[in-house]
Amino acid sequence: GAVVSQHPSWVICKSGTSVKIECRSLDFQATTMFWYRQFPKQSLMLMATSNEGSKATYEQGVEKDKFLINHASLTLSTLTVTSAHPEDSSFYICSARTGERDTEAFFGQGTRLTVV
Amino acid sequence: GQNIDQPTEMTATEGAIVQINCTYQTSGFNGLFWYQQHAGEAPTFLSYNVLDGLEEKGRFSSFLSRSKGYSYLLLKELQMKDSASYLCASMDSNYQLIWGAGTKLIIKP
Repeated sequence: GAVVSQHPSWVICKSGTSVKIECRSLDFQATTMFWYRQFPKQSLMLMATSNEGSKATYEQGVEKDKFLINHASLTLSTLTVTSAHPEDSSFYICSARTGERDTEAFFGQGTRLTVV
Repeated sequence: GQNIDQPTEMTATEGAIVQINCTYQTSGFNGLFWYQQHAGEAPTFLSYNVLDGLEEKGRFSSFLSRSKGYSYLLLKELQMKDSASYLCASMDSNYQLIWGAGTKLIIKP
């Protein structure tokens, strides 16, 4: 299957700082990328959907000024958590599809963010 | 509305068979996925069903009944490494995934 690389795998940052997470599709062009967060023992929660070259579509309740998503190319999407707080500590996962109607989503390895 | 239900936790014995059920209510249903997720890792794709019936892939099989809004994942010859969470997700008419909370499967020797 296709490979999605997410970096970093884990990060610890101080409260008030910003953290950038990268999601790359290594062997295919991802027209659509999804960003999820997952709290312990809970389901994946979709934060936003991004299409290359356009603004991301955020799910209800997700602050777009706090979680900045950039999908500047067909192989790279970034999520920046701005002014991070301890409650932002979570597991963030990206996934990508090659086309709108593709049914299989390929996941990155996930990023464990801890804000202290 | 959109809803996915699956059991929170199940326990099974190494070498046995286990069936994890999932019921869904999804407008514009476009298929049902099963993913495996080990603790601290991203989910990995197991199966996709869009037509009624059973799809077999080695030790894992997945079943779908669209009329009943029901699916199950069947795991045979259980191994210790199968201990993980199993996530059921349905795809809606916008090709978006709606996720269940996951079923934690504990395998005992």
